[in-house]
Parts: sequence; C-alpha cells; structure tokens
Amino acid sequence: AQKITQTQPGMFVQEKEAVTLDCTYDTSDQSYGLFWYKQPSSGEMIFLIYQGSYDEQNATEGRYSLNFQKARKSANLVISASQLGDSAMYFCAMSGGDWRGSEKLVFGKGTKLTVNP
Amino acid sequence: EPEVTQTPSHQVTQMGQEVILRCVPISNHLYFYWYRQILGQKVEFLVSFYNNEISEKSEIFDDQFSVERPDGSNFTLKIRSTKLEDSAMYFCASSGGLAGGPGTDTQYFGPGTRLTVL
Repeated sequence: AQKITQTQPGMFVQEKEAVTLDCTYDTSDQSYGLFWYKQPSSGEMIFLIYQGSYDEQNATEGRYSLNFQKARKSANLVISASQLGDSAMYFCAMSGGDWRGSEKLVFGKGTKLTVNP
Repeated sequence: EPEVTQTPSHQVTQMGQEVILRCVPISNHLYFYWYRQILGQKVEFLVSFYNNEISEKSEIFDDQFSVERPDGSNFTLKIRSTKLEDSAMYFCASSGGLAGGPGTDTQYFGPGTRLTVL
C-alpha cells in the first residue's frame, strides 16, 4: 500500500525567502507519480507540480521545484521567493501501482505554511 | 483555461435526506474521481469512474453512495441517506488518462462542495 508522510504540521517563512516542505513516501511500485497541491483558506485544491518516478531531473514550475530523492523516498517541495499569497495548506500526494483503469491519489496530512510580511 | 466545476458550493441537509453533488469535469478528460476531506483532516479517495463504470472504490464508498454520468458532461455523487459523519468537503477531480503509464496522470480538482449534515 502507498503511504505519504508529511511531518511538518506548520511552517513559517518570511516573505521573499525560500522554504522547503517535507514529504516522504512509501511504495513498492516501480512506476508512480508524486504531486503537490495547494489548498488556500477558500478550500479549493490547486495542482502545483508533478514528478514521475522515472524522471531523472527534478521538476520545476515557476517558483516551485520538487527535490526528488528516490533512494530516500522523499519528494520535498521548495518554494522560492515566498509571497503572502503562498500562505495555505500544502498536500503531498502519490499515485501509481497496478493498472485499474484509473489511479487514485493517496494524500499526506498536509503542512500549513504561513508567510510573514 | 479549462477547469472542473462543482455545484452547489455549499449544501446543508438534514440527517437521513438524500443529496446529489454535481460536477462538470474538464471536457476531454476520461477519468473522474470523488474525494472527501473531513474538516481539518487529509483528503480521502472515494471512487474512480471510467468508461461509464466504477474503476475502484474505497471502503468509505458503501451502499449509501453512488455515482453516475447521466450525460456527456456531468458527473454526480449521490448519498442516499446522509449521516452526521458525512459532513465534509467533497471534491470532484478529472484526468486525461494514462498515456505515459502508471503514475503519470495528473488530476485536476474542482472547488469542492461543502456538505453539512444536521
């Protein structure tokens, strides 16, 4: 079974600084995907970034990058130059495994990021 | 940019009543999902749907729940007899398909329906 662990319930960062949100995962699958989603206080789930298990390079999307260390089974999200609008809950999730015609996402418990001015 | 939409944004119902939550997935997507998030907790998978049938369901998705794609655009979740513990945010998601193999499909979420059961 797949499992996602986010050990930081809350993180604080100063505006314009970088922050790393931790995510470790457990799976016996060879092919899987790792995702980060942002959930602002308004409640929606916003897709941020994806990393495939076979991707050799770390994924980047604007100010977001994913520090993928396969041997350590970690997929940390790095947000550079934090902005006040980055304050939100951040969820790490994974998919993969046996082909079932669809792929469910397994989520971690989330990290609440607060950006201070 | 295409997006998943959900209605209503907030639904209040009495225990034992039936509710239908509606979703319009992204138009060219093939896979559809429902997730729920009880307040302050993590997001949990309920069911996935492809080619007009359920692909996978979790233990949460018992006989009180059903899903349907009544036409080419809508995707619904029905709870037949709501319980207090069904109070949660319900998210619909859709994805385009596993063109790249397992673990390559990105799911896009709707804004959610907050269900409150009194």
